[in-house]
Amino acid sequence: GDSVTQMEGPVTLSEEAFLTINCTYTATGYPSLFWYVQYPGEGLQLLLKATKADDKGSNKGFEATYRKETTSFHLEKGSVQVSDSAVYFCALNSPGMGSARQLTFGSGTQLTVLP
Amino acid sequence: GAVVSQHPSRVICKSGTSVKIECRSLDFQATTMFWYRQFPKKSLMLMATSNEGSKATYEQGVEKDKFLINHASLTLSTLTVTSAHPEDSSFYICSASPSGANVLTFGAGSRLTVL
Repeated sequence: GDSVTQMEGPVTLSEEAFLTINCTYTATGYPSLFWYVQYPGEGLQLLLKATKADDKGSNKGFEATYRKETTSFHLEKGSVQVSDSAVYFCALNSPGMGSARQLTFGSGTQLTVLP
Repeated sequence: GAVVSQHPSRVICKSGTSVKIECRSLDFQATTMFWYRQFPKKSLMLMATSNEGSKATYEQGVEKDKFLINHASLTLSTLTVTSAHPEDSSFYICSASPSGANVLTFGAGSRLTVL
């Protein structure tokens, strides 16, 4: 079945450091790929998405490129801020899963940015 | 934007008792809501799809009689953990999306601890 493997945390960085959180997936067909972020005490929020190979999703300085050849969707940000501290989830949705809103999630990566 | 509220955010109960968790869509109607469970350092796992006015659809391996789901209105779904045991301790998260939207909105989650 479908699965998502993402980098285990926690990840601790200094402010303005470069961030990469790795995410790889296994899926049949051509899934859509997502990054969700969960700030302390809040629900998951969609950060960015990509729906086909070579698409780049971007939002709030974060980027991720859908790489079909390596089945990856790594999250990057050039200069992190303290306010980026959160848990980040990689997720996918495969065609034919029934509901387009059912998602398969990675285990989440806790990011802490120090001032 | 769409908001999903969960209540309670934290609950502690004794083994053998039942606990009800509510999921409300605050500014939109949701004919379908999703319930997820998250173990520490594990993925969010879809437990069931809650359908307004009809029976919920449970994922394989989820006990229907243990996790009762009721979706009595277009803005409220409830998850009742019956005869709770310590192994039911977990983080439960619901999600929904407005009709026609293809992005899920998540609640902040409910942490259940069974003593």
